[in-house]
Amino acid sequence: NAGVTQTPKFQVLKTGQSMTLQCAQDMNHEYMSWYRQDPGMGLRLIHYSVGAGITDQGEVPNGYNVSRSTTEDFPLRLLSAAPSQTSVYFCASSSPSGAGANVLTFGAGSRLTVL
Amino acid sequence: DAKTTQPPSMDCAEGRAANLPCNHSTISGNEYVYWYRQIHSQGPQYIIHGLKNNETNEMASLIITEDRKSSTLILPHATLRDTAVYYCIVRVGGTGGFKTIFGAGTRLFVKA
Repeated sequence: NAGVTQTPKFQVLKTGQSMTLQCAQDMNHEYMSWYRQDPGMGLRLIHYSVGAGITDQGEVPNGYNVSRSTTEDFPLRLLSAAPSQTSVYFCASSSPSGAGANVLTFGAGSRLTVL
Repeated sequence: DAKTTQPPSMDCAEGRAANLPCNHSTISGNEYVYWYRQIHSQGPQYIIHGLKNNETNEMASLIITEDRKSSTLILPHATLRDTAVYYCIVRVGGTGGFKTIFGAGTRLFVKA
């Protein structure tokens, strides 16, 4: 049981480049979310999804796109990277039911630097 | 989801109990209190949660006041490895709990 897997762990981009951060979970969780964490700051919600085909914006959605074609995967796309998007990105998943209802399981994070 | 207020930082001596407070005065009847911690730059880790009764697990205890407007996370015998940022969050239960907003948390320093 791998939990939540994020790839890549580290990435360096140039301004204007695009890339996709991958997130996969094997717990059959309905809910998935993306957060960013800037140095010395708390986590800010970028986008979230309540199930396949359903996504919505969080606190800081600008510059990011998401899609949810399967229950397991929730990729985060940066269309045109900017230095302000330099951050650590965390993916999380949870289920609304069961003993651990709404307990978030986080991935290890993806550290992105935009030059 | 209701907002929470936590002190920005706290110190605790190794081996002593660490008591981390959280204020959630606008909490609704269907909102649970969750605690997470983040050690250095790792992904946040779930600690404990509760609705209105006190809860205990192998990591910590959660004390919720009778009016549910505040809570305290207790680490009974803090170790150096408990140095981390601790987040208190309130979240609707069941299918309403799809969105979690984090605050700044409390940075706990455990000192030898």
